[in-house]
Amino acid sequence: DTGVSQDPRHKITKRGQNVTFRCDPISEHNRLYWYRQTLGQGPEFLTYFQNEAQLEKSRLLSDRFSAERPKGSFSTLEIQRTEQGDSAMYLCASSLAFGAQNTGELFFGEGSRLTVL
Amino acid sequence: GESVGLHLPTLSVQEGDNSIINCAYSNSASDYFIWYKQESGKGPQFIIDIRSNMDKRQGQRVTVLLNKTVKHLSLQIAATQPGDSAVYFCADPSGAGSYQLTFGKGTKLSVIP
Repeated sequence: DTGVSQDPRHKITKRGQNVTFRCDPISEHNRLYWYRQTLGQGPEFLTYFQNEAQLEKSRLLSDRFSAERPKGSFSTLEIQRTEQGDSAMYLCASSLAFGAQNTGELFFGEGSRLTVL
Repeated sequence: GESVGLHLPTLSVQEGDNSIINCAYSNSASDYFIWYKQESGKGPQFIIDIRSNMDKRQGQRVTVLLNKTVKHLSLQIAATQPGDSAVYFCADPSGAGSYQLTFGKGTKLSVIP
């Protein structure tokens, strides 16, 4: 158990509906990441927070996507007007920042699988 | 495009044998690489990392080798066990200091009992 929890684990929705995913990181981690993974592919970076500040966003994060981390703890990822191409596993990860000794050790949750019909 | 990629999409190994999973990268400036393991239905799990000032790093039953001359790294798993069956990804950070990781497509390792 990595300690990162995501909810819901599965979501089926109709095209055009809005969906929201929640991520609760490991409590002492100040960095939080969202990735998207489609079948047979590696995870693709979407966005990252350090505390409550959203510091990086991928070009994959269209204007239909919005992520927040209001108090620097849990985060939400909302997709508006879902499209079939949004069907994927949405992975959340968290990590500590070690300053100059940053490592690539991200702790991933088990993901939220989205199916858009 | 991707800066890292794996050579083979699937690899089958007899239980007890050693496994070697390869990865190539294109960016000469890449100075840090990470291997992740993803079991079915789970998120990726960190295995081991290596910085470019090293050629080899060992963990528990795993060794990562880095050849900067040919821009290649490999993950070696000793005495492969059924629990090693998973998809293995190499990754490198895309942004200095941020750890926006770029993952390859992965190699699926199947262990034959």
